[in-house]
Amino acid sequence: ETGVTQSPTHLIKTRGQQVTLRCSSQSGHNTVSWYQQALGQGPQFIFQYYREEENGRGNFPPRFSGLQFPNYSSELNVNALELDDSALYLCASSLLGGGRSGELFFGEGSRLTVL
Amino acid sequence: QQQVKQSPQSLIVQKGGISIINCAYENTAFDYFPWYQQFPGKGPALLIAIRPDVSEKKEGRFTISFNKSAKQFSLHIMDSQPGDSATYFCAATRMDSSYKLIFGSGTRLLVRP
Repeated sequence: ETGVTQSPTHLIKTRGQQVTLRCSSQSGHNTVSWYQQALGQGPQFIFQYYREEENGRGNFPPRFSGLQFPNYSSELNVNALELDDSALYLCASSLLGGGRSGELFFGEGSRLTVL
Repeated sequence: QQQVKQSPQSLIVQKGGISIINCAYENTAFDYFPWYQQFPGKGPALLIAIRPDVSEKKEGRFTISFNKSAKQFSLHIMDSQPGDSATYFCAATRMDSSYKLIFGSGTRLLVRP
């Protein structure tokens, strides 16, 4: 168990709808990263949040947005859902500047299906 | 230049055998190479990682071999056990942006009893 919790675990949406996924980071961690994992593929970096601001972004359109709260928890929002957005969305927490830089602790993910 | 290519896609090994998974990268700026293990229904978990200043790192039954000139690295699982059956991902990144991992496409390992 990593201490990173995500909700919901599964959800089904239709094309064009909006979705919000939530993540609570491991105790003591100040950074949250989000990844998209399509079926049978490796995770792809969406963005990272540090000190409540986006600190880096992968190759995802602006309809993917996020928030980080003062308690370091985070939300991923996806607008105008497309069929290709169907995937496992993973949240990972880490301690920026910590002694073990680079180690991400992943949650179990939120499985999104877009019909 | 951002890709990490991983092979094989799947691997079947007998209990006690050696499992070998290979990865290749293109971006010479990458300086941190972790391997993640993912069980069904779980998120990836860090298994072992290496920096390019060493050619090999061993932790228990798991060893990373690193060839900087060839831009390749591999994971060796010695004495493979049925409990090692999982999907393995190699990844690469720069330490100054270590949250932005570039993952390979994964290798599904099955260890038969």
